[in-house]
Amino acid sequence: DSGVTQTPKHLITATGQRVTLRCSPRSGDLSVYWYQQSLDQGLQFLIHYYNGEERAKGNILERFSAQQFPDLHSELNLSSLELGDSALYFCASSGIRGVNTGELFFGEGSRLTVL
Amino acid sequence: GEDVEQSLFLSVREGDSSVINCTYTDSSSTYLYWYKQEPGAGLQLLTYIFSNMDMKQDQRLTVLLNKKDKHLSLRIADTQTGDSAIYFCAETLPAPSGGSYIPTFGRGTSLIVHP
Repeated sequence: DSGVTQTPKHLITATGQRVTLRCSPRSGDLSVYWYQQSLDQGLQFLIHYYNGEERAKGNILERFSAQQFPDLHSELNLSSLELGDSALYFCASSGIRGVNTGELFFGEGSRLTVL
Repeated sequence: GEDVEQSLFLSVREGDSSVINCTYTDSSSTYLYWYKQEPGAGLQLLTYIFSNMDMKQDQRLTVLLNKKDKHLSLRIADTQTGDSAIYFCAETLPAPSGGSYIPTFGRGTSLIVHP
C-alpha cells in the first residue's frame, strides 16, 4: 500500500460528459502529480501541484483541469470527454525527499472508459 | 523520438536472469529510476541510481549505468514468476511548461516469466 488513495477505481461514462477524479496523497506529502496511461501513449505527465500551487504542466488538454486543495487532496476534472480519453489516470505524491530525488508514490489509478 | 526508450517485451524462463534495457536523453539527470507495475496496480519504485554511480546492487537486482551512452539496465537474477510485471525506466526532466523537474517514464517493458 503506497498510502496514495484514488477514487473512483473504475468509471464508465459517455462522450461529451464530465468526470472528476480524486486523489489523496500520502500523509505529509505536499506534491501531487497526475499521469495518464494509455496503450498507445504510455505514461504521460499531465500536471504537478505543490502545496496547492500549480508547478508544471505536461501535455494536458485544455478540456482537462486540476486543482490541489488546502488539505492537499487533488482533483482532476475531465470535460467534453472523447473516446480517446479512455485511459488509466494515476495520481502520485512525493515528499520533501522526493522533490530532490524524483521518488514518487503512486495510487492504484482510476480507469476511465468513455463509450 | 521518445525521451526514454525501452523495448516493450521480454520473455524469460524461471530461474534465468532478465536484463531490461533503457536509453535516456538528458545527460544531466541526477537520478535514474526503475519502477515496477504489477497487474491492476500503480507503479512502485524498485530502485534508483545516482548519476555518479556505475552500478548499484540490491539483492537480486543490479542496475548498470553507462553515462557516455546514456544507457541504463536492470538485471534481475534468478527470475521468478512473481517478477512478471511491467518495468519502467524513468529520468527527471524539465517539464514542458518549465518549472518543476518531472519524473519522465519510458513506455515500459513487459517481463513475462515462463515456468
